[in-house]
Amino acid sequence: GAVVSQHPSWVICKSGTSVKIECRSLDFQATTMFWYRQFPKQSLMLMATSNEGSKATYEQGVEKDKFLINHASLTLSTLTVTSAHPEDSSFYICSATSARGDLNEQFFGPGTRLTVL
Amino acid sequence: RKEVEQDPGPFNVPEGATVAFNCTYSNSASQSFFWYRQDCRKEPKLLMSVYSSGNEDGRFTAQLNRASQYISLLIRDSKLSDSATYLCVVNLSNDYKLSFGAGTTVTVRA
Repeated sequence: GAVVSQHPSWVICKSGTSVKIECRSLDFQATTMFWYRQFPKQSLMLMATSNEGSKATYEQGVEKDKFLINHASLTLSTLTVTSAHPEDSSFYICSATSARGDLNEQFFGPGTRLTVL
Repeated sequence: RKEVEQDPGPFNVPEGATVAFNCTYSNSASQSFFWYRQDCRKEPKLLMSVYSSGNEDGRFTAQLNRASQYISLLIRDSKLSDSATYLCVVNLSNDYKLSFGAGTTVTVRA
C-alpha cells in the first residue's frame, strides 16, 4: 500500500517550453502532497505544499507563477514548469501523506528528471 | 546555518563492519526525526523514525540527543546492499513539512 507514482519519469525539453509533471497516489487518498526539487549532490528542497481544492503554499524563493501546482483531487497533483530554462533542470519529486495514516510519514514518488536544453 | 547538516562522507567500509554517523539540526523545537535512504537517482525511502529513547530496527540503531540537537544512525554488520545515501530528515513545525539534510554516502565493499 501507499504507492505514489509520477509521470513522466524523465523529460527533455527545449528552453522556453512548459512541462507538466503528474503525481498520483495509487491506493490511498492523499491529504496533502508536497513537491520537492533536488539538484545533484544536494538535499531535497521543498518547493510547495498542496492540499486538494485549495491553492498551494510555496516556500520562500519559489516563484508561484513559474511553478504552477494544481491539486484537483485527493489522488492527483500536477506541477507545471512554465517557460523552462536550463537552470530548471533538476530531479523533481512529489510526496503524499495519507488521510488515514501518520501525517508525519510521507510517501515519495519515483521522481521526474527534467533536462532543459 | 542550514536547518539540517550532515557529514557528506563518503564512508567506505568493508562488509561486516559497523559504521555510524550523525546529523545536527538547528531548531530546538523540532518535532519529529527520521532517517531516509536514497539510492542513486531514486526517490528517498523511509528507513526508520527516531524516537526520544532511541530505537533499533534489525541492524540499524538510531539515537536522538535533544540537548545537543543531533541524531545518529549506526549500521551493524554492514551488507553490500547498505550502500546508499542516508538522509537525515527533521520535521521542524506542526505543519508536517520535512527538512532534509544533504545526505551521508555509505559505500560497503566486499
